[in-house]
Amino acid sequence: KAGVTQTPRYLIKTRGQQVTLSCSPISGHRSVSWYQQTPGQGLQFLFEYFSETQRNKGNFPGRFSGRQFSNSRSEMNVSTLELGDSALYLCASSLVRPDYEQYFGPGTRLTVT
Amino acid sequence: QQQVKQSPQSLIVQKGGISIINCAYENTAFDYFPWYQQFPGKGPALLIAIRPDVSEKKEGRFTISFNKSAKQFSLHIMDSQPGDSATYFCAASAFGHNQGGKLIFGQGTELSVKP
Repeated sequence: KAGVTQTPRYLIKTRGQQVTLSCSPISGHRSVSWYQQTPGQGLQFLFEYFSETQRNKGNFPGRFSGRQFSNSRSEMNVSTLELGDSALYLCASSLVRPDYEQYFGPGTRLTVT
Repeated sequence: QQQVKQSPQSLIVQKGGISIINCAYENTAFDYFPWYQQFPGKGPALLIAIRPDVSEKKEGRFTISFNKSAKQFSLHIMDSQPGDSATYFCAASAFGHNQGGKLIFGQGTELSVKP
């Protein structure tokens, strides 16, 4: 089975712009979670989508949003980019049952200048 | 209460030795505890996970020990190898509270295994 794929792998944006990141889960996985990884804050949960609905949300401002499509693929969007948004954005997919084992993709490295 | 505290921040072990990483949590709703391994430039890879109904789980050279009353769990890497050099993260989620998809991570431990 193919693993979790994320596109693009690298992205450079300017402060104030917006960005959309994409995640394709492992075939059959219906849950997709997004995380932000930075050297200072570590790995932080952004949100989880299941069956096209946001199931859980982390403590991030409303500039961070996401959605999930009927084929379980997910996108996250960050509007009005700030320098502090520079990070590795990771998505993880899970079967949910019987266990919530999450499998991560390689991430998208976002640099905001 | 959502925090997971991980120690040490960094660890140097000789080849063949035992690497031990510890984590502690406060939230009693947590009921799923995975460990992840991350190499530079890669996403975290699931190593092993445990639920509170068992006190220990072993998979190959990796063992999780779990102490429910102390709210602590640890990862033991037996016969550590240079290829184990990576950053290790513990995590927790409240699977039974419909928050299985929300992993709370520790700060990570950078492990270096010397040949």
